[in-house]
Amino acid sequence: DVKVTQSSRYLVKRTGEKVFLECVQDMDHENMFWYRQDPGLGLRLIYFSYDVKMKEKGDIPEGYSVSREKKERFSLILESASTNQTSMYLCASRTSGGGYTFGSGTRLTVV
Amino acid sequence: QQQVKQSPQSLIVQKGGISIINCAYENTAFDYFPWYQQFPGKGPALLIAIRPDVSEKKEGRFTISFNKSAKQFSLHIMDSQPGDSATYFCAASYGNQFYFGTGTSLTVIP
Repeated sequence: DVKVTQSSRYLVKRTGEKVFLECVQDMDHENMFWYRQDPGLGLRLIYFSYDVKMKEKGDIPEGYSVSREKKERFSLILESASTNQTSMYLCASRTSGGGYTFGSGTRLTVV
Repeated sequence: QQQVKQSPQSLIVQKGGISIINCAYENTAFDYFPWYQQFPGKGPALLIAIRPDVSEKKEGRFTISFNKSAKQFSLHIMDSQPGDSATYFCAASYGNQFYFGTGTSLTVIP
């Protein structure tokens, strides 16, 4: 089974801090994604990547950036964390035409 | 514009009953329709999926019904159990395009 591993389950950060969320997948999937999930808003796509060093903006990229230096690793960066970025962050990977495999999520709280 | 519309937003079912969640789509290019199950504090996990060349797919107590002409598909959970209480997302995709519904919170009452 494909495994998508997110480095932290829970994080508490201060406003203004730079935050890194790491995600690693072990099945050589080309495509990787970052979503945030908030009550009543479903899954919202932040950024995605189809290949190494390649990135595309999703629906809500403001305040975020990403990095994909290796195929298996996709990092989400909050340049200056704000309280409205408190959320559940989900990483996923997939092959083209296939389904998503999600990580377990990172619950980020910005205080 | 929402590519996949899911209803209801929440659903309460008695143990042993049938849970039905519906989704509708517009883009006839979609060729893959999965359902995801998410328990609190966990990431969504693939539950069952269907491609448009079949009208129904069954895996245990979970069935997807697919109506190509109506551009609708639904998840049926037979003999619903309290352990099925979770949020369910439908999705539709083709190629690199992938769209989720907004989710249905299912509660199965013992």
